[in-house]
Amino acid sequence: AQTVTQSQPEMSVQEAETVTLSCTYDTSESDYYLFWYKQPPSRQMILVIRQEAYKQQNATENRFSVNFQKAAKSFSLKISDSQLGDAAMYFCAYRTPAGGTSYGKLTFGQGTILTVHP
Amino acid sequence: NAGVTQTPKFRILKIGQSMTLQCTQDMNHNYMYWYRQDPGMGLKLIYYSVGAGITDKGEVPNGYNVSRSTTEDFPLRLELAAPSQTSVYFCASSYWTALNQPQHFGDGTRLSIL
Repeated sequence: AQTVTQSQPEMSVQEAETVTLSCTYDTSESDYYLFWYKQPPSRQMILVIRQEAYKQQNATENRFSVNFQKAAKSFSLKISDSQLGDAAMYFCAYRTPAGGTSYGKLTFGQGTILTVHP
Repeated sequence: NAGVTQTPKFRILKIGQSMTLQCTQDMNHNYMYWYRQDPGMGLKLIYYSVGAGITDKGEVPNGYNVSRSTTEDFPLRLELAAPSQTSVYFCASSYWTALNQPQHFGDGTRLSIL
C-alpha cells in the first residue's frame, strides 16, 4: 500500500519570504500523480499544484513550485513571496492511475500547518 | 455549475442514532469517494464507487455503508453512531480517464457524536 509522510506538523514563515514544505511517499509503481492541496479554516480542499510522475520537469504555478525527486520519492512544495492568505493546512497526496484495485484514490499525508507572520 | 454538493454541513447525533450524509455531483463523474478527516489529520478513504451499482471499501469502512443507484448520488450511511465517528466527512468525484486532474471535493460535513 502506498504511504505519504509529511514530517513537519507545523511551519512558519514571514510575509514575502520563502518556505518549503516536505513530503515523501512510498510506492512500488512507476506511474502515478502527486498533488498538493491547501485547506484553509473554511475546510475547502483547494488544489495548489500537481505533478505527473512521468514528467521530469518540476511543476510551477505562479508563486508555488515543487521539487520532485522520483528516485528519492520526494515531493516538496516551495512557496515564494509568502502572503497572509497562504496560511492554511497543506496536504501532500498521491494518486494511482486507473485500473487495478486502486481506482484513482488519493492517499493523503498528515498535513502541515503553515503560519504566515506579517 | 454546482460541482459536488454535500448536505448537511453540520450535524450532532446521539450515540446509537443513524443518519445519511448526502453527496451529489453534476459533472457526470463516474468515480466518487467518501473520506473522513479527524482533527489535525489527513483524509482517509471510507468507500468509493467507480460507477452506478459498483462500490467498494476503502481504508476505514467499518461502521459505514454506501450505495450508488445513480451517477450523480453517493450517500454515506451511519447505522449506529459511535463517538469514534466524530469527524469531518468529505465527498469527492472525478473522471476515471483524468487522474492527473484533481478530485473535486465538496465542502464537507462536520459530524459530532455525543
